[in-house]
Amino acid sequence: GAVVSQHPSRVICKSGTSVKIECRSLDFQATTMFWYRQFPKKSLMLMATSNEGSKATYEQGVEKDKFLINHASLTLSTLTVTSAHPEDSSFYICSASPRRVTYNEQFFGPGTRLTVL
Amino acid sequence: KQEVTQIPAALSVPEGENLVLNCSFTDSAIYNLQWFRQDPGKGLTSLLLIQSSQREQTSGRLNASLDKSSGRSTLYIAASQPGDSATYLCAVNGGGNKLTFGTGTQLKVEL
Repeated sequence: GAVVSQHPSRVICKSGTSVKIECRSLDFQATTMFWYRQFPKKSLMLMATSNEGSKATYEQGVEKDKFLINHASLTLSTLTVTSAHPEDSSFYICSASPRRVTYNEQFFGPGTRLTVL
Repeated sequence: KQEVTQIPAALSVPEGENLVLNCSFTDSAIYNLQWFRQDPGKGLTSLLLIQSSQREQTSGRLNASLDKSSGRSTLYIAASQPGDSATYLCAVNGGGNKLTFGTGTQLKVEL
C-alpha cells in the first residue's frame, strides 16, 4: 500500500516551453501533496504544499507563476513549469500523506528528471 | 529556522560491518522524524518513522533512535550488505507535515 506515482519519469524540452508533471496516489487518498526539488548531490528542498480543492502554499523564494500547482482531486496533483529555462533543469519529486492524520508519514514518488535545453 | 545536518557525508565500509549514521537538528520542537533511502536517480523509500514520543523504531536490520531533547537521531544498520549502498536522508517534521531534509550520507558497502 501507499504507492505514489509520477509521470513522466524523464522529460526533455526546449527553453520557453511549458512542462506538466503529474503526481498520483494510487491506493490511498491524500488531502495534501508536496512538491520538492533536488539539485545534483543536494538534498530535497520543499517548493510548495498542495491542498485538494484549494490554492497551493509556496515556500519563500519559489515563484508561484513559474511553478503552477493544481490539486484537482484526492489522488492527483500536477506541477506545471511554465516558460522553462535551463536553470529549471532539476529532479522534481512529489510526496503524499494518507488521510489518517495522526500518522503523518509521507510517501514519495519516483521523481521526474527535467532537462531544459 | 530548522536546520538538519547529517554526518558523515560519505561512508565506505566492508560488507558485514555494523554502522551508524547520524542526524542532528537545531529545533527540538518536532512532530516526527523519518529516515529515507535514495538510490541514484530515483525517488525516496521510507525506512523508518519515529514519532516525537518514541525513542526508537526497528525494521529488520535497521534501528533508528531519537533523542529529541538533544536534537539527534541515529540510524543503525547491522551486518551491512552491498545492496545497502545508497544515500540515506533524515527528515524532520516540524508541524504542518512539512519536512526539512538533511544533507544526506552516501553509503557504499564493498564486497
